Amino acid sequence: QVQLVQSGAEVKKPGASVKVSCMASGYTFTGHYIHWVRRAPGQGLEWMGWINPNIGGATYAQRFQGRVTMTRDSSNNTAYMELSRLKSDDTAVYYCARDEGGYDLDYWGQGTLVTVSS
Amino acid sequence: EIVLTQSPDFQSVTPKEKVTITCRASQSIGSSLHWYQQKPDQSPKLLIKYASQSFSGVPSRFSGSGSGTDFTLTINSLEAEDAATYYCHQSSSLPHTFGPGTKVDIK
Repeated sequence: QVQLVQSGAEVKKPGASVKVSCMASGYTFTGHYIHWVRRAPGQGLEWMGWINPNIGGATYAQRFQGRVTMTRDSSNNTAYMELSRLKSDDTAVYYCARDEGGYDLDYWGQGTLVTVSS
Repeated sequence: EIVLTQSPDFQSVTPKEKVTITCRASQSIGSSLHWYQQKPDQSPKLLIKYASQSFSGVPSRFSGSGSGTDFTLTINSLEAEDAATYYCHQSSSLPHTFGPGTKVDIK
């Protein structure tokens, strides 16, 4: 069965960077884009971007341009999302999600809580 | 950026009642609209893709309709396990965006 397993919770200081991993299993990793979505406390879902695991190319939401980098390691079926220059309002649960093929997100990771606090 | 608005923000419903949630897009998105359910401390789950196509394994009481700018998620005969927040999501243009969510509570 399809599974996306994310890395554990992180606590970071303002200005630092965080890298969250998402390990996929149960399907051909290079056959589906991986999207990253976050949910801040008391807020709704926010789309951050996607990576094409086949070629490694990524597309980011403009508001994260310059701060986010999405990569993958196809040998390990793992996608990564790195967010730099963290601010307190980056405190959120970060999710990876598989693109079924038409940009609908059919399987989600369990989420990774990133807390940014001095 | 396409803005999605949802109504209502919150709905308190008795079991077996019918629930209707609407999602309106700031410009036409064709049928590129998907619905998700998120329960507390869980990840979102895909319910409906492309406005009206049910995702595999989703109970038949969930259905979707609409195109262009106006969309509806209907839950027929609500069950207690349906207490959750429901989000719409457009994938018509970048950046993809989500609606603010509709919280459904069971009376």
